[in-house]
Amino acid sequence: NAGVTQTPKFQVLKTGQSMTLQCAQDMNHEYMSWYRQDPGMGLRLIHYSVGAGITDQGEVPNGYNVSRSTTEDFPLRLLSAAPSQTSVYFCASSYDRRTYSYEQYFGPGTRLTVT
Amino acid sequence: GQNIDQPTEMTATEGAIVQINCTYQTSGFNGLFWYQQHAGEAPTFLSYNVLDGLEEKGRFSSFLSRSKGYSYLLLKELQMKDSASYLCAVSTDSWGKFQFGAGTQVVVTP
Repeated sequence: NAGVTQTPKFQVLKTGQSMTLQCAQDMNHEYMSWYRQDPGMGLRLIHYSVGAGITDQGEVPNGYNVSRSTTEDFPLRLLSAAPSQTSVYFCASSYDRRTYSYEQYFGPGTRLTVT
Repeated sequence: GQNIDQPTEMTATEGAIVQINCTYQTSGFNGLFWYQQHAGEAPTFLSYNVLDGLEEKGRFSSFLSRSKGYSYLLLKELQMKDSASYLCAVSTDSWGKFQFGAGTQVVVTP
């Protein structure tokens, strides 16, 4: 099992550019989430999904879009990058219906810089 | 508002015990989770509590009191590799929705 994978690992964007951060999991988890982590602020939830076709906003959704067309994939789109979106982005998945376990697993992160 | 509070930093000696407290006030509560995060790495899951009481997993134990909005993570027989940030998180309105505290940096000294 690869677990949770994210691409790219590093990205530099110019203000106004758009891009998609990719996230995939092979653990057949129901739930997937996107977080950003800034120094001294902990992890903040951007968007989350409790199943294919179902997404909802977290604490800091503005400037980001998500979709969940399959159980495995949960891409995060930055519509028009701003310097305030410079951060480390983590994707996570949880809830194994076979074991009723809610353990959450994180991907390795994407370090994004917007200039 | 919603709040999850934990101390910013704690220092302890190798072989000792450290207790990291976490208090929370959230709009909903499904469970409380603890993660370990080494610098430059992703968080890794340690334990979670749904019901009041103590959960033990090797050198790590986590306690929950829902009526007090309080949890702690106990790290026993500290090792140098335990130097990391420890994150407290609450699953709030939905099991898929989490709110995190800012993290407690634990420094283990020889």
